[in-house]
Parts: sequence; C-alpha cells; structure tokens
Amino acid sequence: QVQLVQSGTEVKKPGSSVKVSCEASGGSFSSSSIAWVRQAPGQGLEWMGRIIPILGITNYAQKFQGRVTITADRSTNSAYMELTSLRSEDTAVYYCARSGPSYYDSSGYYVYWGQGTLVTVSS
Amino acid sequence: EAVLTQSPGTLSLSPGESVTLSCRASQDVRNSYLAWYQQKPGQAPRLLIYDATTRASGIPDRFSGSLSGSDFTLTISRLEPEDFAVYYCQQYGSSPVYTFGQGTKLQIK
Repeated sequence: QVQLVQSGTEVKKPGSSVKVSCEASGGSFSSSSIAWVRQAPGQGLEWMGRIIPILGITNYAQKFQGRVTITADRSTNSAYMELTSLRSEDTAVYYCARSGPSYYDSSGYYVYWGQGTLVTVSS
Repeated sequence: EAVLTQSPGTLSLSPGESVTLSCRASQDVRNSYLAWYQQKPGQAPRLLIYDATTRASGIPDRFSGSLSGSDFTLTISRLEPEDFAVYYCQQYGSSPVYTFGQGTKLQIK
C-alpha cells in the first residue's frame, strides 16, 4: 500500500522560504514522478511542478519558475518542495502526489496523495 | 500551458439524479490524457477517472468519463449522498507542464 506522509504545518513571514517534505512508502518511488499541488483557502487545485526521481528531471509551472525548487532523495524515498520569497498569496495547503506506475506522460495522473501541509504566510 | 475550463461552476441536485460535468481544453490534449478527481472538504483529492474514460481502482461504475471533440465530460449516474463534492479535471497530455481545471462544486439541492 502506497503512502505519502508530509511534514507538518508551517507559519512563515513574508519574504522567507519554506521547505515541505513528502516521504513515500510502498510502491516504486523512483520509477514514478512526484508532483506538488497547492490549494489556497476556498480555491481550486494548482499544479506547481514535478520531479522524476530516477532521472532527476524537474518541470515547473511558469507561474512558479524561479521561486520553487523540487528535489528528491532516492535513498529515503522522499521529495521536497521549497518555495522562496513567500507572500500572503502563498498561504495554502500544499500536497505531494505520486503519478501512476511510471514517470511517462501516460501515467501523469495522480493516484496517491499526501495528507497536505498547511503553509501560512503572515507578518 | 493548456488551460482547462470546467462548467458549470456550481450545480445543485438531489440524490438519485444524474449529472454531467464538462471540462474544455484550450488546446488539444494529446492521447486524451485527462483525469477527473473528487475532493471533499478537508481531504486530499481522489482519482476517479484517467485517460478520459478509465475508472480508477475501486471507483463505482456510476462514474463514467467520455470525450466529444475537445470537450471531456464526467457523468455521475444516480447520485449518492457521498457524491456531493468538488470535481476537478487535470490534463497530462501537454507535457511537461500539467494543469487542473478550476473545479465544479456539486451540492445538494
């Protein structure tokens, strides 16, 4: 059974950075892709970017280019999302999600999700 | 990046009724790589449909997906009380950046 467990709630000041972790257990971490999806209060889902751990390839949504960095550690089956220059609009629940059985586009849907990490940006 | 537009924004229906939700892409979604998710308050999204028409594991057959031209649809037959939630579509055909629609809220009338 695949499980994604994320780090806990964060409260940050504007201008600072946050790094959220996502540890996977069960299934094949390396051969899939891990995405980060955020959801502002009362809003919809927003795809931020993804990493293919076995290739070390990352892709980011244009909106977050330059501010987000997604990394992975295959030795611990963990992925990380760091967001810099935080502003109040970044207040959201951040989810990690694992793709289907491979990292190819054909498996680009998200079967497994973390529990979400609330990041609050406030002065 | 492909933009997905879902309609309507909100629907009010009663249990037992059937409903069709729409998701239109701003550009071709290669190989019909489109998924549908259900999200309830305080929960992570749940995968319902992938590849436009394939039900995910454990999803009841009252959920079905289809494609007509550039319009993707999710149909829920015989609504159950637990089906009232927000539904999102997501495309994964316009690599390497994937996108979600803005969601359709299905509420009890």
